[in-house]
Amino acid sequence: AQKITQTQPGMFVQEKEAVTLDCTYDTSDPSYGLFWYKQPSSGEMIFLIYQGSYDQQNATEGRYSLNFQKARKSANLVISASQLGDSAMYFCAMRDGGATNKLIFGTGTLLAVQP
Amino acid sequence: DGGITQSPKYLFRKEGQNVTLSCEQNLNHDAMYWYRQDPGQGLRLIYYSQIVNDFQKGDIAEGYSVSREKKESFPLTVTSAQKNPTAFYLCASSTPGRLYQPQHFGDGTRLSIL
Repeated sequence: AQKITQTQPGMFVQEKEAVTLDCTYDTSDPSYGLFWYKQPSSGEMIFLIYQGSYDQQNATEGRYSLNFQKARKSANLVISASQLGDSAMYFCAMRDGGATNKLIFGTGTLLAVQP
Repeated sequence: DGGITQSPKYLFRKEGQNVTLSCEQNLNHDAMYWYRQDPGQGLRLIYYSQIVNDFQKGDIAEGYSVSREKKESFPLTVTSAQKNPTAFYLCASSTPGRLYQPQHFGDGTRLSIL
């Protein structure tokens, strides 16, 4: 069965520093996609970045990058130059290659950016 | 602007009462989803629909029902059979069959028991 594991319930980071949020996954499907979402205290889920299992390069989107290590089944999110507005819950999610489009979510990491 | 609208933002349910959460999207997406989020937890799939007039149970469908009569709308009914309905409910939509397409989410509905 597919599974997403986020082992860091909470993280602190100083403003302007970089932070890495861990995500490991388990699947037997060779074709899959990995997503990171940000959930501020207001509740909405904001899509940040995507990595496909066949992508040769690590995904980047502005200050967000994904450290994808396929052999280790990890897809860690790196946020560079942290800002106060980055304080939120961060969820890692996976979709398999089937047609259902279902996402499986981890339990999330609460990031607090300190001034 | 295209997006997903969930209403109401807050909802209170009395014992033995059914309540319906609204989800409307104007993104022209075929697939729609309902998730439940408990405090400090990730999202769990309740129901999903990939096409009008068709839907499938997710991981925690007991005590919930849905309909998909229009492409734009996917309402969720929390029935009296759901004994622990207090949670945050999120609706999402996407284009099915494209692995790289993210699901887009509404702002959620917070349901509480009176």
